[in-house]
Amino acid sequence: EVQLVESGGGLVQPGGSLRLSCAASGFTFGDFWMHWVRQGPEKGLAWVARINNDGSGPSYADSVKGRFTISRDNAKNTLFLQLSSLRAEDTAVYYCATAGNGDYLDHWGQGTLVTVS
Amino acid sequence: DIQLTQSPSTLSASVGDSVTITCRASESISRYLAWYQQKPGKAPKLLMYKASTLQSGVPSRFSGRGSGTDFTLTITSLQPDDFATYYCQQYNDYSSFGGGTKVEIK
Repeated sequence: EVQLVESGGGLVQPGGSLRLSCAASGFTFGDFWMHWVRQGPEKGLAWVARINNDGSGPSYADSVKGRFTISRDNAKNTLFLQLSSLRAEDTAVYYCATAGNGDYLDHWGQGTLVTVS
Repeated sequence: DIQLTQSPSTLSASVGDSVTITCRASESISRYLAWYQQKPGKAPKLLMYKASTLQSGVPSRFSGRGSGTDFTLTITSLQPDDFATYYCQQYNDYSSFGGGTKVEIK
């Protein structure tokens, strides 16, 4: 069974940093592209970032480009998102998700809450 | 960036009704569109990809159509478990989501 478990969220001051992790199990992690998606309070889904299966070719939403960094450790089956220069509008639940054969998102974690205040 | 506009934003319906949600892209995305269902406090669940391909385990009362810029998700014979918020996602050019459609009980 595919499992994705995010961690690392919490309360951080504006301008601060945080590193989110997503521990993967139940599938061959190194074979799949991975994404981060966020959802602000009472808001819709917003795509954040994507990384290829081998860690190359990261891409970002314009709203986070230059402030967030996506990375992965295939040996440890873990995806990361480094958040820097945080703003109040970055407050959200952050989800990691696997990309199917194409960039649709077929498995999701339960999310981790980041509050910038 | 490709923008996705969903309509309506809220839809009131009864059990047994058929409902249709529309998703319009700001430019052609071929058929690279997915649909998700989300319930309060839960992660989204993939329903459909490639505009009309049903994800494994999703009931056949869900169907998708469209290509280019105009897409629809139809739920026939609405069930109590279907009251939720639905999102479309394009993955033709990076990725983006529509604003969501909440299907509520009339």
